[in-house]
Amino acid sequence: ETGVTQTPRHLVMGMTNKKSLKCEQHLGHNAMYWYKQSAKKPLELMFVYSLEERVENNSVPSRFSPECPNSSHLFLHLHTLQPEDSALYLCASSQSWTSRETQYFGPGTRLLVL
Amino acid sequence: KNQVEQSPQSLIILEGKNCTLQCNYTVSPFSNLRWYKQDTGRGPVSLTIMTFSENTKSNGRYTATLDADTKQSSLHITASQLSDSASYICVVSPGKDKLIFGTGTRLQVFP
Repeated sequence: ETGVTQTPRHLVMGMTNKKSLKCEQHLGHNAMYWYKQSAKKPLELMFVYSLEERVENNSVPSRFSPECPNSSHLFLHLHTLQPEDSALYLCASSQSWTSRETQYFGPGTRLLVL
Repeated sequence: KNQVEQSPQSLIILEGKNCTLQCNYTVSPFSNLRWYKQDTGRGPVSLTIMTFSENTKSNGRYTATLDADTKQSSLHITASQLSDSASYICVVSPGKDKLIFGTGTRLQVFP
């Protein structure tokens, strides 16, 4: 295990539902990330939190809303999603927010939007 | 435009054989290059990281090489095992906090 857990592992939701993805890291890291992974596409960075402050938002639609209540927890709140949002959502953490630091990934949440 | 291209897209080999995965990039400036392994149903795990001055780095049966002049990297897997079946992702950084991800090579090792 990498020290990063994600729940749920699988999620099916309708376009009108509201759901939340949860990520927890047990590594004492200061930076946490949300990524979207779609088939045959590179990982897409969605949000970055450093020391509990959002430091990057890569033009992500407002139907995705992140929350970082403390340095160990990260949430991704979902509402009125579209079928094209179906993907694997990965959470990661690293000691600090620099490219030289190794990012440790969770197992991901497989999301299907109907 | 900063891009990372990996080849082949997929690869099938027999257990015990060696294989080499390729990563070409147009990222500039260059800070570091990392290879990740992603097992099915799991998140990526870092294998190696190389900076500009390093041209080879090993992690067990995995050996990564870097040619910063031609902007190419390769990941060589020796004596493949069934557990090597995974996607391998090349990630290049132009510095600071930026990462450019490749689309990955899917490797399948058959007995």
